[in-house]
Amino acid sequence: SQQGEEDPQALSIQEGENATMNCSYKTSINNLQWYRQNSGRGLVHLILIRSNEREKHSGRLRVTLDTSKKSSSLLITASRAADTASYFCVPRQGGSEKLVFGKGTKLTVNP
Amino acid sequence: DTGVSQDPRHKITKRGQNVTFRCDPISEHNRLYWYRQTLGQGPEFLTYFQNEAQLEKSRLLSDRFSAERPKGSFSTLEIQRTEQGDSAMYLCASSLQGSYNEQFFGPGTRLTVL
Repeated sequence: SQQGEEDPQALSIQEGENATMNCSYKTSINNLQWYRQNSGRGLVHLILIRSNEREKHSGRLRVTLDTSKKSSSLLITASRAADTASYFCVPRQGGSEKLVFGKGTKLTVNP
Repeated sequence: DTGVSQDPRHKITKRGQNVTFRCDPISEHNRLYWYRQTLGQGPEFLTYFQNEAQLEKSRLLSDRFSAERPKGSFSTLEIQRTEQGDSAMYLCASSLQGSYNEQFFGPGTRLTVL
């Protein structure tokens, strides 16, 4: 299993702005998942993108996947203070059921 | 609330004592996972069960750690002879076999070893 590397490590924006977080990984994947962790709701699965998909939307979230570059990005549009959290990308290869987390991107949305 | 629950939410213990944590997964989920998270880091995998069978264990899981899921429902994680380095948040998650392994996490048990 491999972990994703999120970039930047920390991001601070104003409410209403968009936030973009990037993820890189090393070997081929079956899918890639994004999770969010904050003190209020704990660790929560946000969105999954399969290796044959290039883009996926869920509400204010947009995830892209470029398997040729082994990278993904998570865009949060019109951010809110409640989006303040750490965001983790988890590349999934199969062969093991465990999730391997990196250090995440710590997003702060200022009111 | 039908999510993953963990008990206790906080545990303070003295070095050398044994502690046990409980996790109740989402009822229809047959897979259950334990992770440990320290400050500033992402969660680290400890072990995973499918029904009552423990299928994978991390090398992080020293012989002081033991996990059980006797009837394929709730699980317990025991740490014997606790050390200060065991202080962490212990997270439990569950998922449904056949899904894309979207895991649903509980609120965690925060362990402090004095």
